[in-house]
Amino acid sequence: NAGVTQTPKFQVLKTGQSMTLQCAQDMNHEYMSWYRQDPGMGLRLIHYSVGAGITDQGEVPNGYNVSRSTTEDFPLRLLLAAPSQTSVYFCASSRGQGRTPLHFGNGTRLTVT
Amino acid sequence: DAKTTQPPSMDCAEGRAANLPCNHSTISGNEYVYWYRQIHSQGPQYIIHGLKNNETNEMASLIITEDRKSSTLILPHATLRDTAVYYCIVIGPDDKIIFGKGTRLHILP
Repeated sequence: NAGVTQTPKFQVLKTGQSMTLQCAQDMNHEYMSWYRQDPGMGLRLIHYSVGAGITDQGEVPNGYNVSRSTTEDFPLRLLLAAPSQTSVYFCASSRGQGRTPLHFGNGTRLTVT
Repeated sequence: DAKTTQPPSMDCAEGRAANLPCNHSTISGNEYVYWYRQIHSQGPQYIIHGLKNNETNEMASLIITEDRKSSTLILPHATLRDTAVYYCIVIGPDDKIIFGKGTRLHILP
């Protein structure tokens, strides 16, 4: 099993551009989530999904969209990138929300200039 | 908001036991205590979790007080590779999984 795979590993965007951060898992996990981590900070929850077709907001959802059309994939979209979205983004999955351990990807480092 | 309180940083000598405390005074009966760690800027790694009994696995031990208001993660023989940020999280079955700032553990040679 590859676990949780995030692409790309690094990305530089200009303000106003859009992009999609990809997250895929091959563990048949129902629960998936996105976090961002700023320097010296803990992880902050952006959006999460408890299954295909179901998404919900986390602590810091503004400026991000998500969808969950399949169990395996949970892409994160930035529609109008802003410098405040410069961060490291982590995707995580688990068999069930709050009931089993999270498995994390290796992160995407995003810089918005 | 995170439901836990952890010291921002701790030091531990290599080879000694590292004891990381966590306060969760508002924990409710169906909430678990989970511990994760993050080495450098890698993705966090699951360590251990428990409800009310003490737990042990190949990585660590988790001691939960009888009133469940606090817990301690024990790394029995700390090595330099255990230098990381350790997160203590309290989670119910359908809760949003919120991380705090964790404890930065420095293992000293």
